[in-house]
Amino acid sequence: GAVVSQHPSRVICKSGTSVKIECRSLDFQATTMFWYRQFPKKSLMLMATSNEGSKATYEQGVEKDKFLINHASLTLSTLTVTSAHPEDSSFYICSARERSVREQFFGPGTRLTVL
Amino acid sequence: GQQLNQSPQSMFIQEGEDVSMNCTSSSIFNTWLWYKQDPGEGPVLLIALYKAGELTSNGRLTAQFGITRKDSFLNISASIPSDVGIYFCAGQWDGQNFVFGPGTRLSVLP
Repeated sequence: GAVVSQHPSRVICKSGTSVKIECRSLDFQATTMFWYRQFPKKSLMLMATSNEGSKATYEQGVEKDKFLINHASLTLSTLTVTSAHPEDSSFYICSARERSVREQFFGPGTRLTVL
Repeated sequence: GQQLNQSPQSMFIQEGEDVSMNCTSSSIFNTWLWYKQDPGEGPVLLIALYKAGELTSNGRLTAQFGITRKDSFLNISASIPSDVGIYFCAGQWDGQNFVFGPGTRLSVLP
């Protein structure tokens, strides 16, 4: 149980294009989803928290117009990196939590490379 | 805001040795989680702790919720090569949000 998937696992795109990353909870209802960014050999940096049906709450310093988050259903959240630039290249990981459950479960991550 | 420190930052051990790492903070938490991350993968939950003093095992792993609620410990017994990875602790203080530690990078020498 508590399986979270992400798609795609890897994506390479040209500078200026937009990229959408999907995060799905496969066997539970994810009332809250989290999006993290991780640089090489660094810890997880929380970008935003989204509750199903509500607007995402972004962490300080994260541009909401740059990183669009949608959590339209209890099993799916998407992160769209708009007008991507090389500095957006990173490992993006989502996690999901079910209401009344304290643990959060992570997806396998998406490696984004912007050329 | 809440911050977690993890020590050691990295460690090199021989296969078969036991490992101890800890996670500390100046803040009080009501849940501690321990995760392991393999290269290029998302973190995988190892152990969850819910109350002060709790000691929980998962195979060769044992974790404890410190009685002050400001720290937690993870021990790995009889390490094997597949234990290699980064171990993150995470603390929850408000029932919703977690803060993650910087991680302990474990290398196991054959």
